[in-house]
Amino acid sequence: EPEVTQTPSHQVTQMGQEVILRCVPISNHLYFYWYRQILGQKVEFLVSFYNNEISEKSEIFDDQFSVERPDGSNFTLKIRSTKLEDSAMYFCASGGQLNQPQHFGDGTRLSIL
Amino acid sequence: GIQVEQSPPDLILQEGANSTLRCNFSDSVNNLQWFHQNPWGQLINLFYIPSGTKQNGRLSATTVATERYSLLYISSSQTTDSGVYFCAVAGMNTGFQKLVFGTGTRLLVSP
Repeated sequence: EPEVTQTPSHQVTQMGQEVILRCVPISNHLYFYWYRQILGQKVEFLVSFYNNEISEKSEIFDDQFSVERPDGSNFTLKIRSTKLEDSAMYFCASGGQLNQPQHFGDGTRLSIL
Repeated sequence: GIQVEQSPPDLILQEGANSTLRCNFSDSVNNLQWFHQNPWGQLINLFYIPSGTKQNGRLSATTVATERYSLLYISSSQTTDSGVYFCAVAGMNTGFQKLVFGTGTRLLVSP
C-alpha cells in the first residue's frame, strides 16, 4: 500500500537556525497538509496546499513558516528561524480527493535547543 | 470552528476487556477519521468513517452523523492496543478539509 514518507525522523537544531522538513506524499494525491503536535497535546493543523499554492493556514503558520512543492514529488515545510516553542512532532498528510481519508506520515520529531 | 470532544480522557483496562471510546463534534462533517498513536508517536489510521459502521478485526466504529457522534469499540483488548486514540473531523463547510483533532483518549491495557 502506498504511504507518505517523512525525513528526517528526528531533527535536533539550535535555536535561531533554519530547518527544512521533507515529505513525499502518495504519488497521485492532490491535497497536502502539515500538522504539528507539541508533546502531550493534541494534533493541530498548520497548513493545506493544493494546486501549487497554500489553500488555508492556521494562526500558528506565521511568517517564519513556508511550504513548497519544488519538484512535483516532495513537499517541504521550512521554519526560518526556529524558537524553543517550535519543538514538536510534525506530520505531513496527503489526500487524493476531498471527502477521502488523509494519509499521514510517521512524523518528524523536531527538537530545538 | 468545529469543536471535537473525546471521552473518557483516560482508560485503564485489563487484557481481554472490551471498551467504547466516544467522539462528539459540534457541526456537520464530511470526514471523520480514528487514529491510534503508538508509543513511538506514529499516527495509525484506523477508520475513515464520516457515517455508518465499519469493522476491522477486533476494532469497529460507528458514526451517527445526524447526532454528531462517533464510537470506537475495542474488543478483547491486548497490551499492544495501549496508546492514545484520536478522533479527527473535517467540517462540511471546510473548503480544503483540514482535520480538527480531539484531545484523545489515553488507553492503558495491562496484562
